[in-house]
Amino acid sequence: AQTVTQSQPEMSVQEAETVTLSCTYDTSESDYYLFWYKQPPSRQMILVIRQEAYKQQNATENRFSVNFQKAAKSFSLKISDSQLGDAAMYFCAYRTPLRDDKIIFGKGTRLHILP
Amino acid sequence: GAGVSQSPRYKVAKRGQDVALRCDPISGHVSLFWYQQALGQGPEFLTYFQNEAQLDKSGLPSDRFFAERPEGSVSTLKIQRTQQEDSAVYLCASSSPTGNNSPLHFGNGTRLTVT
Repeated sequence: AQTVTQSQPEMSVQEAETVTLSCTYDTSESDYYLFWYKQPPSRQMILVIRQEAYKQQNATENRFSVNFQKAAKSFSLKISDSQLGDAAMYFCAYRTPLRDDKIIFGKGTRLHILP
Repeated sequence: GAGVSQSPRYKVAKRGQDVALRCDPISGHVSLFWYQQALGQGPEFLTYFQNEAQLDKSGLPSDRFFAERPEGSVSTLKIQRTQQEDSAVYLCASSSPTGNNSPLHFGNGTRLTVT
């Protein structure tokens, strides 16, 4: 069964600094997608960044980038120049569209931004 | 509206009551997912529709849980004889056709409290 593990329940970072959130996953599939979602207190899940497993190049979205290590089954999220609005729960997620298409989420990392 | 809409936003039910939670997906989205999110946890998959067909209901915790999407758009998650352990946020998400990396678009969820 596919699993997604986020080993850091909580993290804190100083405003304007860089922070990395860890994620590992377990799968036997070769074709899949990985996502990071942000969930602020409003409960709205917001897509931060996505990565196709067949792409070697790491995805980047403005201040957000990933370090995708397929062999190690690792998918970490780096947030540069952290801002107060980045404070939220962050969930790593995995999807296999050719298998069953459901998205499996990790348990999340709560990110605190220190002013 | 442009996003996924869920109603009600909050629901309080006495133990033993039946509840119905509604999800209006983004127009044209084929796939619809229901997730259950306990406090401080990641979303747990409940069930998945492609149009009106329920392709996967492996995550439904008991036969008290029932979901339908009769016309391939609006979906209802029904919980019969609610129990305290059913208290959670129920998230609905939709996405465009499978086979690509289309992300899930989430609603704001329904917070169910069973007293």
